[in-house]
Amino acid sequence: DAGVTQSPTHLIKTRGQHVTLRCSPISGHKSVSWYQQVLGQGPQFIFQYYEKEERGRGNFPDRFSARQFPNYSSELNVNALLLGDSALYLCASSPVSANTEAFFGQGTRLTVV
Amino acid sequence: GEDVEQSLFLSVREGDSSVINCTYTDSSSTYLYWYKQEPGAGLQLLTYIFSNMDMKQDQRLTVLLNKKDKHLSLRIADTQTGDSAIYFCAEGPGGGADGLTFGKGTHLIIQP
Repeated sequence: DAGVTQSPTHLIKTRGQHVTLRCSPISGHKSVSWYQQVLGQGPQFIFQYYEKEERGRGNFPDRFSARQFPNYSSELNVNALLLGDSALYLCASSPVSANTEAFFGQGTRLTVV
Repeated sequence: GEDVEQSLFLSVREGDSSVINCTYTDSSSTYLYWYKQEPGAGLQLLTYIFSNMDMKQDQRLTVLLNKKDKHLSLRIADTQTGDSAIYFCAEGPGGGADGLTFGKGTHLIIQP
């Protein structure tokens, strides 16, 4: 079985641009969460979606948004990129809405220049 | 708010046991997790423990939980060079609404 897949693996954007990151959860998993990991830090929770509804949101500005599709895949969108948005963006999938057994993808490395 | 604290570095000799410690503040945490991150990679779930347990063993890994002191540890027996990585402790409410709260990670360095 495939694990959590994220695309693209690396991305370079310019300040002020918009970016869309994609995640496909493990087959059968209905919950997807997004995390931001800045270099040298632990991941920070951004969003959780379950059954296409937002179930939780971390302390991130409105420039960050996400959605989940009927096939349970998800997109994370970031508008008006800042240099400080440079980070590894991680997607995690869980079989249910609870965070038990949250499995992470390899991440998307976003660099804002 | 919730906080998870870990030592930044741990150096052990190959073949010895490694013990990585973590403290957390949220007494409502339902699950506590250990993740491993190798350079340039995502997070690998190693193990997790339900908050009403005090120990869990899985092959070379032993997790100990002291709920009274809000202290979690991960013991890796017979540490190998492939264990070299950053280890993250995380706590979660189990309900999913707030996501997982991670520590800053402990760099495990293996000496030959």
